[in-house]
Amino acid sequence: AQKITQTQPGMFVQEKEAVTLDCTYDTSDQSYGLFWYKQPSSGEMIFLIYQGSYDEQNATEGRYSLNFQKARKSANLVISASQLGDSAMYFCAMNPESNRLAFGKGNQVVVIP
Amino acid sequence: ETGVTQTPRHLVMGMTNKKSLKCEQHLGHNAMYWYKQSAKKPLELMFVYNFKEQTENNSVPSRFSPECPNSSHLFLHLHTLQPEDSALYLCASSPRQGDSPLHFGNGTRLTVT
Repeated sequence: AQKITQTQPGMFVQEKEAVTLDCTYDTSDQSYGLFWYKQPSSGEMIFLIYQGSYDEQNATEGRYSLNFQKARKSANLVISASQLGDSAMYFCAMNPESNRLAFGKGNQVVVIP
Repeated sequence: ETGVTQTPRHLVMGMTNKKSLKCEQHLGHNAMYWYKQSAKKPLELMFVYNFKEQTENNSVPSRFSPECPNSSHLFLHLHTLQPEDSALYLCASSPRQGDSPLHFGNGTRLTVT
């Protein structure tokens, strides 16, 4: 079974600062996709960014970037210039060859003014 | 109109009640998913429908009964639930099963008393 690990405790980050959320995964598949989702208190899971296992470039999407280190099996999310609206739970997920998307337990981020 | 809509947003039911959760997507997708999100646990995949056919049942107890009358609608029928079934139930869709990313609804917060 695929395993996604997010171990950081809840994080407080100053507005306008950058924050890095750690994610490691365990898979024997050669082809897989990595995702980050944001879940605000409203409950909706919002897709942020995607990285394919064969992509050579790190994915970027606006203020979000994914630091993909394939050999270490890590896919850390970097949020630059944090905003108050970034306060939420953040989930790392992996879609393996079986297409059964697996999620980590999430990281809580609170942005403070 | 939001892409994936779930109703109701909140539901409180007794263990002997019968209720249904509804999910509707306006994205033209053909795959729909039910996930369960319990406190401090990763999202758990429950059911997958692809082109109205159930393709995944992740060992879900029979007190949860899904229904997919067409590619735009997905229901989760609930009966004789247990208090441990209290959770956030999230619906998601994608163009086809295995396509990414998933598009999620806001979820239904279910409390079983």
